[in-house]
Amino acid sequence: DIQMTQSPSSLSASVGDRVTITCRASQSISNYLNWYQQKPGKAPKLLIYAASSLQSGVPSRFSGSGSGTDFTLTISSLQPEDFATYYCQQSYSTPRTFGQGTKLEIK
Amino acid sequence: EVQLVESGGGLVQPGGSLRLSCAASGFTFSSYWIHWVRQAPGKGLVWVSRINSDGSATNYADSVKGRFTISRDNAKNTLYLQMNSLRAEDTAVYYCASERPPQRYFDYWGQGTLVTVSS
Repeated sequence: DIQMTQSPSSLSASVGDRVTITCRASQSISNYLNWYQQKPGKAPKLLIYAASSLQSGVPSRFSGSGSGTDFTLTISSLQPEDFATYYCQQSYSTPRTFGQGTKLEIK
Repeated sequence: EVQLVESGGGLVQPGGSLRLSCAASGFTFSSYWIHWVRQAPGKGLVWVSRINSDGSATNYADSVKGRFTISRDNAKNTLYLQMNSLRAEDTAVYYCASERPPQRYFDYWGQGTLVTVSS
């Protein structure tokens, strides 16, 4: 199984900050990398698919990059509604493993 | 409107069984692979199982293999997860999520159903 490792596990930031979350795969997964946002008590929501494609309806302040084993999710200017937990997921193979999550908190 | 609605969760004793359902509407259910993903209280997302569009292929996480069975009824637009020999560590919110080949992402998710395994 492919292991996904996110860093950091938690992050404190302020509204307006630029933040970056990284995700590393245990083997090359090409660009088969997705990012999800989850708020407390809610289902995850797809933000980015295929490493850098923005899901319809997702604000353009979210962006993704990377290929192979190293990937990043960037939020260019944090908004109050962005404070949540973010997960990466590889879709190169089954099982579709997730990273452990990054909790983004208000500073 | 696309909807996935899980049901069937609840409290069950260790060793017991439970069947979860996921009712789909608003999209062509029979064209999608469907996955189960679970989340233990305060923990991260864990992939559990997957079934392909016509139900002919299934996959399971090692932690549930031999105990859980995924199935679907495309005529009823419904997905199932039969869970047997339940353990305390199976306690989680269970989500169903859809994936439309050749795309490789989970675009629609249900709201989740809580399974609690406890005596």
